[in-house]
Amino acid sequence: AQSVSQHNHHVILSEAASLELGCNYSYGGTVNLFWYVQYPGQHLQLLLKYFSGDPLVKGIKGFEAEFIKSKFSFNLRKPSVQWSDTAEYFCAVKRGSNYKLTFGKGTLLTVNP
Amino acid sequence: DGGITQSPKYLFRKEGQNVTLSCEQNLNHDAMYWYRQDPGQGLRLIYYSQIVNDFQKGDIAEGYSVSREKKESFPLTVTSAQKNPTAFYLCASSLTGGPYEQYFGPGTRLTVT
Repeated sequence: AQSVSQHNHHVILSEAASLELGCNYSYGGTVNLFWYVQYPGQHLQLLLKYFSGDPLVKGIKGFEAEFIKSKFSFNLRKPSVQWSDTAEYFCAVKRGSNYKLTFGKGTLLTVNP
Repeated sequence: DGGITQSPKYLFRKEGQNVTLSCEQNLNHDAMYWYRQDPGQGLRLIYYSQIVNDFQKGDIAEGYSVSREKKESFPLTVTSAQKNPTAFYLCASSLTGGPYEQYFGPGTRLTVT
């Protein structure tokens, strides 16, 4: 069965620190990759997505992610976090033409001012 | 405003009662999904529907039922057979026919005592 692993359950950073959240998946075929974010009290919303082409994708609010096919990874990065980035981040994988999304367990990011 | 509405936001039920959670979308999406979110578990797929009058079981369908009589609506019933019904339930929708992202509703927090 396909699985999605997020390496960190809880990450605590100070403002202006750099962020990298890990995501690995187990499926070897064609995949579509997503990062979603859930701010406190808000809807789950899309941060960025990779379908094809340039493996470095840019999303909203200064986030980016790099798809490394050989490592089955899609890590999320931001050079300088802000207090408002405090949220839970979910990596998700869609396999080929299948409509199902498989989510990782999430990483809670706390940014201290 | 286009989007997904879920009602109610909070729902309380006694053990042994069935309860139906509402999900409506006005995005003209063909596909709709129900997820369950538990702390530290990420999102797990309960049921999904790619077209009206058709739906498929997800990874944790036991104790749940759905219907899809209208394109806009995908209600979820949590039956008394669900052993651990207390959770946060999220509804989502998406276009079909390509690698489209899913859009999420605000969720319903169900507490069963």
